[in-house]
Amino acid sequence: AQSVTQLDSQVPVFEEAPVELRCNYSSSVSVYLFWYVQYPNQGLQLLLKYLSGSTLVESINGFEAEFNKSQTSFHLRKPSVHISDTAEYFCAVRGGGAQKLVFGQGTRLTINP
Amino acid sequence: DTEVTQTPKHLVMGMTNKKSLKCEQHMGHRAMYWYKQKAKKPPELMFVYSYEKLSINESVPSRFSPECPNSSLLNLHLHALQPEDSALYLCASSQDGGAGFQPQHFGDGTRLSIL
Repeated sequence: AQSVTQLDSQVPVFEEAPVELRCNYSSSVSVYLFWYVQYPNQGLQLLLKYLSGSTLVESINGFEAEFNKSQTSFHLRKPSVHISDTAEYFCAVRGGGAQKLVFGQGTRLTINP
Repeated sequence: DTEVTQTPKHLVMGMTNKKSLKCEQHMGHRAMYWYKQKAKKPPELMFVYSYEKLSINESVPSRFSPECPNSSLLNLHLHALQPEDSALYLCASSQDGGAGFQPQHFGDGTRLSIL
């Protein structure tokens, strides 16, 4: 079985500052990893995914995440955040062959001007 | 704009009412999912349909009844709900039949309130 731990429930940062949202997972099989973002009163949007290949994956809006197999981590980073990045961020894992997507508890990113 | 469309966006119903939530996708995805999300919590899986057949039921109470009339459409029929069933109900779909590695794409959800 897989599990996901998001180490911070809330992360406040100032606008234009860098941010890192931490995610650790556990699994006995190969995994596929995802970050989803949920803006207020909306559904979840796929931010980025790691399926295979390069361990560094990037999104179109400046976020990146690095898959680290030895540390079983998939941390999300952005070098400079904007007010519009204020949202809930969910890390999720799917084990090979599994139908279920296992979510972490979420991290609320708050951007202060 | 999301490619998974859910209707209605908001629904208020009494505990004795019968209502249905609807979800549509036209991406040719072969797996569809229902999730329940309470405030400040991650989504909780309820049901999975793979190739129009129910493949996972996460021990959901029978007052929730899913239906998949065709590969593009997913319904959730509601009857005799309880106040604790008030939540955001999310539909999702994925390209694979549910047992692969493709990401799930979510709709914007139906916010359900039980009086």
